Amino acid sequence: EVQVLESGGGLVQPGGSLRLSCAASGFTFSNYAMSWVRQAPGKGLEWVSSITTDGISTYYADSVKGRFTFSRDKSKNTLYLQMSSLRADDTAIYFCAKGGGGGPFDDWGQGTLVTVSS
Amino acid sequence: EIVLTQSPATLSLSPGERATLSCRASQSVRNYLAWYQQKPGQAPRLLIYDASYRATGIPARFSGSGSGTDFTLTISSLEPEDFAVYYCQQRSNWPLTFGGGTKVEIK
Repeated sequence: EVQVLESGGGLVQPGGSLRLSCAASGFTFSNYAMSWVRQAPGKGLEWVSSITTDGISTYYADSVKGRFTFSRDKSKNTLYLQMSSLRADDTAIYFCAKGGGGGPFDDWGQGTLVTVSS
Repeated sequence: EIVLTQSPATLSLSPGERATLSCRASQSVRNYLAWYQQKPGQAPRLLIYDASYRATGIPARFSGSGSGTDFTLTISSLEPEDFAVYYCQQRSNWPLTFGGGTKVEIK
């Protein structure tokens, strides 16, 4: 069974940093691109970032480019989203999803809430 | 950036009725269009990928059609569990984008 489990969310002050993790299991991790998608309270879905199977290429939404860094550790089947210079409009549930670019988002975690507020 | 416009924003129907949801792209996305269902407090779930292929475990009452810029998600006969928000998403070009969603509510 495919499982994707996010962690690391919480309350952070504007300008602060946070690192989200996503632990994946139940599939061959190195065969799939992975992505982050976020959802602000009461709003729709917004793609944030994707990473290729080998971790060499990453793609970012303009809204986070230069502030967020997406990486993957194949030895741990884990992904990381390093977020810095956080702003109030980064407040959202962050979902980790299997797929992106080369395929649809076919499995999702339950999300982790990031709140940026003073 | 490819903009996806979903219509209507809200669809009020009764169980057993047919639902037709539209997604229009600002430029061609070929057939790289997916549909997701999201219920309150839950993660989205993939329903349809590449415009017309049902994802694993998705009931046959869900079907997708279209190519290029115009796409449709059809639910042939609404079940109580189908009342939710539906999103389309394209993977033809970076950045990946989602439509604004259509809420299917009970009439």
